[in-house]
Amino acid sequence: NAGVTQTPKFRVLKTGQSMTLLCAQDMNHEYMYWYRQDPGMGLRLIHYSVGEGTTAKGEVPDGYNVSRLKKQNFLLGLESAAPSQTSVYFCASTRGPLAPNTGELFFGEGSRLTVL
Amino acid sequence: AQSVSQHNHHVILSEAASLELGCNYSYGGTVNLFWYVQYPGQHLQLLLKYFSGDPLVKGIKGFEAEFIKSKFSFNLRKPSVQWSDTAEYFCAGRYTGTASKLTFGTGTRLQVTL
Repeated sequence: NAGVTQTPKFRVLKTGQSMTLLCAQDMNHEYMYWYRQDPGMGLRLIHYSVGEGTTAKGEVPDGYNVSRLKKQNFLLGLESAAPSQTSVYFCASTRGPLAPNTGELFFGEGSRLTVL
Repeated sequence: AQSVSQHNHHVILSEAASLELGCNYSYGGTVNLFWYVQYPGQHLQLLLKYFSGDPLVKGIKGFEAEFIKSKFSFNLRKPSVQWSDTAEYFCAGRYTGTASKLTFGTGTRLQVTL
């Protein structure tokens, strides 16, 4: 049982390059999230999805786009990377509002992105 | 605005010392509260959670937390820390009507010395 899997785990980009982070979960979760983690700032929500085909903005969405074409996958894209996007990115998922004990998020292992 | 704050950014303790990490949440309706731990180089793992009922919640690895509604607090405690507890600890809140989004505190780095 893999849980939440993120690829790639490490990536170095030059300013202006584009890339996509893939998050895959095998728990049939409805809700998925992308967070970024920066020193002294905790985790901040970038975008999230409450179901296949839906996406919504979080706290820090600028410079990112997302897509949820399949229930199990949630993609995070950077169209034109900037040094300010150097961070560790975490994907997370949870069952949804109708399931018991909702709100417990399951996290992937993180993707460390450096933008030069 | 809904927010979660953690008072301590970096805590250094000797093994066997007692631990208490502070967490406060803002008023915003019903809130579920969580503590997550992140060991070096790893992803976040759930330590414990509070949804309702007994305000004293016990989690894994001997951790516990107390929900005090009057103080908007959810402090994490452990009677005797071990070197293996060295990690970063995050408090988080989930407010109703927010699509199960978690609002995280800024984290507390705990360093346990031998």
